Amino acid sequence: GAVVSQHPSRVICKSGTSVKIECRSLDFQATTMFWYRQFPKQSLMLMATSNEGSKATYEQGVEKDKFLINHASLTLSTLTVTSAHPEDSSFYICSASGPAEAFFGQGTRLTVV
Amino acid sequence: AQSVTQLDSQVPVFEEAPVELRCNYSSSVSVYLFWYVQYPNQGLQLLLKYLSGSTLVKGINGFEAEFNKSQTSFHLRKPSVHISDTAEYFCAVSVLYSSASKIIFGSGTRLSIRP
Repeated sequence: GAVVSQHPSRVICKSGTSVKIECRSLDFQATTMFWYRQFPKQSLMLMATSNEGSKATYEQGVEKDKFLINHASLTLSTLTVTSAHPEDSSFYICSASGPAEAFFGQGTRLTVV
Repeated sequence: AQSVTQLDSQVPVFEEAPVELRCNYSSSVSVYLFWYVQYPNQGLQLLLKYLSGSTLVKGINGFEAEFNKSQTSFHLRKPSVHISDTAEYFCAVSVLYSSASKIIFGSGTRLSIRP
């Protein structure tokens, strides 16, 4: 299957700072990528759809000004958690996909202290 | 709209016993269905997928699932589990969005294996 690389795998940041997470599609061009969040012992919830060259589409309840998404090329989408707070601590995972199935990155565990 | 329901949040099983993890889906159109496994503190791993063709799908680690359109189910089975199968299992459905697959996950089932 296709390879999606996500970086960093773990990050600890201070409350009030911003953190950028990168998601790269290594072997195919992805005009659309997706960002998910998983709180401890819960399922993965779709946060937003990242569209190459246009604005991201956010799911209901997700603050677009807090979770900035940039999809500047066909192989790279970034998620920036701005002014992070402890409640933003979570596991974030991206996917790139074709019409039939999705390929997931390794995930990023964010801890805000 | 497509959705997935996993009725069992936890399934405890003795080692070497068979297991079935239940999944029901809701969709008004043809679906693609998946089972993913997540080991503690790790990312997702695809176990198996149903895109078309044979309704019995075989995956990795000895798991299989059967697509049942009339019952809108996609239950996951393994005839004999091992301690190493302890993990969280997610059933998922694919929603087509602008030629890309948006994956909608079920709530997950925690499989715990007892020696």
